[in-house]
Amino acid sequence: DQQVKQNSPSLSVQEGRISILNCDYTNSMFDYFLWYKKYPAEGPTFLISISSIKDKNEDGRFTVFLNKSAKHLSLHIVPSQPGDSAVYFCAASPGADGLTFGKGTHLIIQP
Amino acid sequence: DTAVSQTPKYLVTQMGNDKSIKCEQNLGHDTMYWYKQDSKKFLKIMFSYNNKELIINETVPNRFSPKSPDKAHLNLHINSLELGDSAVYFCASSQEYYGYTFGSGTRLTVV
Repeated sequence: DQQVKQNSPSLSVQEGRISILNCDYTNSMFDYFLWYKKYPAEGPTFLISISSIKDKNEDGRFTVFLNKSAKHLSLHIVPSQPGDSAVYFCAASPGADGLTFGKGTHLIIQP
Repeated sequence: DTAVSQTPKYLVTQMGNDKSIKCEQNLGHDTMYWYKQDSKKFLKIMFSYNNKELIINETVPNRFSPKSPDKAHLNLHINSLELGDSAVYFCASSQEYYGYTFGSGTRLTVV
């Protein structure tokens, strides 16, 4: 049973537009959420995180929104740039104890 | 039915000991990986391995060695454990270049 789900295996967005990547979770014990970005042949790199006490966290072009009642979080990238083309993983953690990853969404930024 | 399973989930051991972490995947993937998560939640790739090729991150000390008895298993063996080896280690597997599945992590504590 997948506790962290990214239902879109891929997403294509035009350069300059907003990219929205979605993630759903089932475990109510999760209270810390992270997004990782992965380029081919490299390991995932940490992008942005959010604690369950917040509903929004912003870092430059990247904003993560958390809807606890819906057990849903999303990553917004505005404006989307060619270098944003990568696989994005959502991950969740119950406190400091480990991470559960989604299967990733391949974001393709089109010129 | 766990896709990528790591054992043990927690491992506490003394400095100088030799230990192994096991990883098994039932997805039929060709490639498996080991990652080390640092204190900033970054995932650093340690090894990637398929039937033909072992790729080692040159920054990994040679006290760490991957052992693959078959395509479905990639175990991580660590000799002469040091305090700095304490971390969470993630196993992952993939078939296509972007399709990743992570294990749930092993928290190693060296005392």
